[in-house]
Amino acid sequence: QKEVEQNSGPLSVPEGAIASLNCTYSDRGSQSFFWYRQYSGKSPELIMFIYSNGDKEDGRFTAQLNKASQYVSLLIRDSQPSDSATYLCAVMGRGAQKLVFGQGTRLTINP
Amino acid sequence: DAGVIQSPRHEVTEMGQEVTLRCKPISGHDYLFWYRQTMMRGLELLIYFNNNVPIDDSGMPEDRFSAKMPNASFSTLKIQPSEPRDSAVYFCASSWDGSTDTQYFGPGTRLTVL
Repeated sequence: QKEVEQNSGPLSVPEGAIASLNCTYSDRGSQSFFWYRQYSGKSPELIMFIYSNGDKEDGRFTAQLNKASQYVSLLIRDSQPSDSATYLCAVMGRGAQKLVFGQGTRLTINP
Repeated sequence: DAGVIQSPRHEVTEMGQEVTLRCKPISGHDYLFWYRQTMMRGLELLIYFNNNVPIDDSGMPEDRFSAKMPNASFSTLKIQPSEPRDSAVYFCASSWDGSTDTQYFGPGTRLTVL
């Protein structure tokens, strides 16, 4: 079993709709959770991080964490074509700086 | 701030040659990370340093790979000898101890080994 699992997609969403990206992780001791966005040919850039159970909102983005279910999700409201990218879920264990990344979900927003 | 700087941006070499990738972290950052990204394996951590000291090199694939951080503003990742399966994008990232653990990535080096 991979440590961090994501549906590789591609996920196709119409412009203006909500895009929902999901991630599960295997290490129950994981403490910090991150979503990175990576455009084709570019480096990953952080868009959200979450530490506590529940929702965290930042503009059009909402991260959701459920530690009991070992599940993290990212919602993108009012999706724009510029949101088309690969979204990487990353998990950090307790007391460590080591990030474990999922394979990424390729998201396409259709105008 | 200039961000994380990597060089070269592209490297094409022949099997058996030595390859050296370079990274300059963001000034003031305590942690430096080397990652490798391929289609098959995704983004994998190779090694990371804290205050110039290697902390975890469990991701280094084999003895052909070595990394150094002689000072706070410079790190190298060396592959000797290189093999075609080493072809990948190599990213360097840095972070600041005491922050939200956010890692900032450099632009990457695309390595092709023929």
